[in-house]
Amino acid sequence: DIQMTQSPSSLSASVGDRITITCRASQIISYYLNWYQQRPGKAPELLIYAASSLQSGVPSRFSGSGSGTDFTLTISSLQPEDFATYYCQQSYSSLWTFGQGTKVEIK
Amino acid sequence: EVQVVESGGGLVQPGGSLRLSCAASGFTFSSYDMHWVRRATGKGLEWVSAIGTAGDTYYPDSVKGRFTISRENAKNSLYLQMNSVRAGDTAVYYCARGDVTTVTGHYYYYMDVWGKGTTVTVSS
Repeated sequence: DIQMTQSPSSLSASVGDRITITCRASQIISYYLNWYQQRPGKAPELLIYAASSLQSGVPSRFSGSGSGTDFTLTISSLQPEDFATYYCQQSYSSLWTFGQGTKVEIK
Repeated sequence: EVQVVESGGGLVQPGGSLRLSCAASGFTFSSYDMHWVRRATGKGLEWVSAIGTAGDTYYPDSVKGRFTISRENAKNSLYLQMNSVRAGDTAVYYCARGDVTTVTGHYYYYMDVWGKGTTVTVSS
């Protein structure tokens, strides 16, 4: 199975901050990388697919980059509604896997 | 409105069985892959199973041989039959639609519509 490792596991930030979350795959996955946001008590929501394509309706402050094994999710100016847990997920193999998640908390 | 709604969760004893359902609406169900994903309390998301439009199925080792995903296109419904359940199967189970987009000639897959989840508790 392809292992996905996110860093950091958690971070504290303030409204308006720029933050970056990293995701590393255990093998090359090209651009087959998606990002999801999950707020407490809510269903996950798709933010980014194919490593850098913004899902319809997602604010432009979210962006994704990377290819191969190393990927990043950036929030350019953190908003109150962005405090949540973020997951990367690979769709390169037929057995999909998620990263362990990065919890973004209010400083 | 495009949506999926899960049902069937509850309390089940270790070694027992449970069947989850997912009702889809607002889209042509038969044209989409479908997935089950779970999240245990205090843990992250775990992909549990997928079924393609042709009925092909996929499972991680953690549930392979115990869980069975199926679909009934005439009823716009997805199912997850859970057998020989364990305490580690306790989680909120989400149904999700799988979609695909072509970017520079390549097909990229993701889950774009999610339900609110149904809770499964495995305990004696």
